[in-house]
Amino acid sequence: KAGVTQTPRYLIKTRGQQVTLSCSPISGHRSVSWYQQTPGQGLQFLFEYFSETQRNKGNFPGRFSGRQFSNSRSEMNVSTLELGDSALYLCASSPAIAGNSPLHFGNGTRLTVT
Amino acid sequence: DQQVKQNSPSLSVQEGRISILNCDYTNSMFDYFLWYKKYPAEGPTFLISISSIKDKNEDGRFTVFLNKSAKHLSLHIVPSQPGDSAVYFCAASAYSGAGSYQLTFGKGTKLSVIP
Repeated sequence: KAGVTQTPRYLIKTRGQQVTLSCSPISGHRSVSWYQQTPGQGLQFLFEYFSETQRNKGNFPGRFSGRQFSNSRSEMNVSTLELGDSALYLCASSPAIAGNSPLHFGNGTRLTVT
Repeated sequence: DQQVKQNSPSLSVQEGRISILNCDYTNSMFDYFLWYKKYPAEGPTFLISISSIKDKNEDGRFTVFLNKSAKHLSLHIVPSQPGDSAVYFCAASAYSGAGSYQLTFGKGTKLSVIP
């Protein structure tokens, strides 16, 4: 079974631009969660989608948004990029609602904002 | 407010000895706990979990202990191997209503196993 796939692996953007990250979950998994990892801050929860509906949202500004498609693939968008958005963005999938079963993570997208 | 704390940013252990990674939490509603391991340039991988109705769970060289009264859990790795060198994240889950759960991660502990 293929794992969670995130594209692209690396991305360099300029302040003020917007970016879209993509995540394909494990086949059959209906929940997709997004996390931001920065040095010293661990994994910060962004949001979770289940069956195309946002189920949960972390404490991030509205510049961060996401969506999930009918095939469970998910995208995350960040508008008006700031230097502080430079981070590793991780996507995770699970067969059920996240928090009640282990998450399966992708290898992440490393975003650098200059 | 950091609800899940891993107070040791790093830990060094000799190969063959026991590694003990600690995690403290403040939210008494957490009832499911997990440990993840992360290598550089890879996503975290699930290691082991424990429900609040248990106080111990074992899987091979990995054992997780839960002390609910102290709001403390620990991960024991015996014996430690060089391949265990990674960052370990503790995570805790609580039901937050409407069929959703709040999953909170600690900041991680970097384990180095010295050959």
